[in-house]
Amino acid sequence: DARVTQTPRHKVTEMGQEVTMRCQPILGHNTVFWYRQTMMQGLELLAYFRNRAPLDDSGMPKDRFSAEMPDATLATLKIQPSEPRDSAVYFCASGLVLMGRPNSPLHFGNGTRLTVT
Amino acid sequence: EDQVTQSPEALRLQEGESSSLNCSYTVSGLRGLFWYRQDPGKGPEFLFTLYSAGEEKEKERLKATLTKKESFLHITAPKPEDSATYLCAVRLRNNNDMRFGAGTRLTVKP
Repeated sequence: DARVTQTPRHKVTEMGQEVTMRCQPILGHNTVFWYRQTMMQGLELLAYFRNRAPLDDSGMPKDRFSAEMPDATLATLKIQPSEPRDSAVYFCASGLVLMGRPNSPLHFGNGTRLTVT
Repeated sequence: EDQVTQSPEALRLQEGESSSLNCSYTVSGLRGLFWYRQDPGKGPEFLFTLYSAGEEKEKERLKATLTKKESFLHITAPKPEDSATYLCAVRLRNNNDMRFGAGTRLTVKP
């Protein structure tokens, strides 16, 4: 089965440090989503891309978060500087959107659990 | 404002005791309603997509239905391995993003 791969699975860092999370979407998928999950807020959309172009990043704190897709096989989410309130599980998901076709579901990776002390 | 609300927050069932989970939505334009299952330490796993009112999908002990305002996930004769958090999500017509509900945490006791 094709899978979305996220690295690292766990990350513990100190406040103020830079954190980079990576995602390899399923080959052939043209959309990539970044979500953050906490007990209090559930799954929150941070940003999403179609054909590597950012379509919406309104869910991201712009002053510290950035998301990019350097190529079709890699999406990154960076936090600089990190803060304790950023502690959460960050999920990447990919899917296929074709004009005139029903949207495919998103397929999720197993997440990066980030702890900022 | 687009909203997705799931109820109950948590549900405890005995093995074999059938029940339903609810997902109600108020969105400006729906391009599909999705059900996912999430196990601890894992990402959400896709179960079903529903596109129009009246549509139904089934998989083993699960059946999802859709009306113009809500979706139900019916669980028939559940087993302990059905214990998980069940999430629903809507894909919006305007900007194509996916909004998730807070989930229902299901526990099935043997």
